Amino acid sequence: QLQLQESGPGLVKPSETLSLSCTVSGGSFTNSNYWWAWIRQPPGKRLEWIGSIYYSGSTYYNPSLRTRVTLSVDTSKSQFSLKVTSVTAADTAVYFCAKHGTGYSDSWPDSWGLGTLVTVSS
Amino acid sequence: DIQMTQSPSFVSASVGDRLTISCRASQDISTWLAWYQQQPGKPPKLLIYAASTLQSGVPSRFSGSGSGTDFTLTISSLQPEDFATYYCLQANSPSGFTFGPGTKVDLK
Repeated sequence: QLQLQESGPGLVKPSETLSLSCTVSGGSFTNSNYWWAWIRQPPGKRLEWIGSIYYSGSTYYNPSLRTRVTLSVDTSKSQFSLKVTSVTAADTAVYFCAKHGTGYSDSWPDSWGLGTLVTVSS
Repeated sequence: DIQMTQSPSFVSASVGDRLTISCRASQDISTWLAWYQQQPGKPPKLLIYAASTLQSGVPSRFSGSGSGTDFTLTISSLQPEDFATYYCLQANSPSGFTFGPGTKVDLK
């Protein structure tokens, strides 16, 4: 069974860069049907999709975050990563990594990590 | 961008009740819609995709319907483990995914 686990600092200072990684196990990271996504949830608020990446490095991003977000992959480690630059308190959230496909039957994020809380504070 | 709304935002219900939650898209998304259940402190769980297809392992008391801009999630008989927050998700936009604001189902 596919498992995803987020890792990274839980506290980031304002104006600095938030960096997280997601390690995938129990399945093929380079499966041609899988995309890998980051989704976040500020405390008490709705979920927000940040962006998705394919194992080849192809990406697409939420237009509202595009200028500050970079996704990358390391297939040798079965990992994908998120960087958010110039963070503010509004970036405080639980960050989830997830898997989805692109077909009609599997476009939906259906495997999720447990999430990691990142707080932006000095 | 496609905007998603849900109603109600909060509902109090009892075990055994039939519950309906609505989700509306700001433009036609055909049936590119999913429903998720989220318990406190946990990741969302996929319940329904393609508007009406039950995810494997999800109890049959959950059902979804709709197309275009208006969608519904129905729980035919609420069970204790169903008290949670429910989100809709659209996947029709080339700009990516958009979640609804959520509906919290609480015990009356």
